[in-house]
Amino acid sequence: AAGVIQSPRHLIKEKRETATLKCYPIPRHDTVYWYQQGPGQDPQFLISFYEKMQSDKGSIPDRFSAQQFSDYHSELNMSSLELGDSALYFCASSLSASGGSYEQYFGPGTRLTVT
Amino acid sequence: GENVEQHPSTLSVQEGDSAVIKCTYSDSASNYFPWYKQELGKRPQLIIDIRSNVGEKKDQRIAVTLNKTAKHFSLHITETQPEDSAVYFCAARGWVTDSWGKLQFGAGTQVVVTP
Repeated sequence: AAGVIQSPRHLIKEKRETATLKCYPIPRHDTVYWYQQGPGQDPQFLISFYEKMQSDKGSIPDRFSAQQFSDYHSELNMSSLELGDSALYFCASSLSASGGSYEQYFGPGTRLTVT
Repeated sequence: GENVEQHPSTLSVQEGDSAVIKCTYSDSASNYFPWYKQELGKRPQLIIDIRSNVGEKKDQRIAVTLNKTAKHFSLHITETQPEDSAVYFCAARGWVTDSWGKLQFGAGTQVVVTP
């Protein structure tokens, strides 16, 4: 079965650079979520999209932005990177429409290292 | 917003013994409570979940109980094996406007099963 795809899997950037993370949800899934997980921490919700519209927003810095495109893939854009942005970034998807399952499926994550 | 507390933060058990992890949540509107197992550097993997209209669910060696009145839920692992060693996260989720909301995670429990 198709799973959530994230790219790249690893990314190394320098301070003040920009980064773009991509997420391809499971086919037919209409909701995408982004989480940030620092070392030894629980995943922290950043932002979510339902049917290409922002549905919820968490602790996402103003330096970050995200969107969901017509094909339902999503991109997380991160600018003016700081050392503290080094983390695992997970994308997850689910099907919110009637008949969808409750489960939220996680992608393999993108490990971002800022030097 | 939702707040999830998880205890204990670390749990050491002998192989074959049982492990219990407890979580409490604050938002009575939350209606879905998954448990995730995460190995170092990997994605969170759903191991079991429970909906608010169910009090208990079991899947082989794993069981989850939910007390809606007290707003707490627990994970029970019986006959633990070394491969059960990992970080376990509880989470709570509700509905946002017209889509599934974000997962609010507990802080995690590091489980170590010693042979």
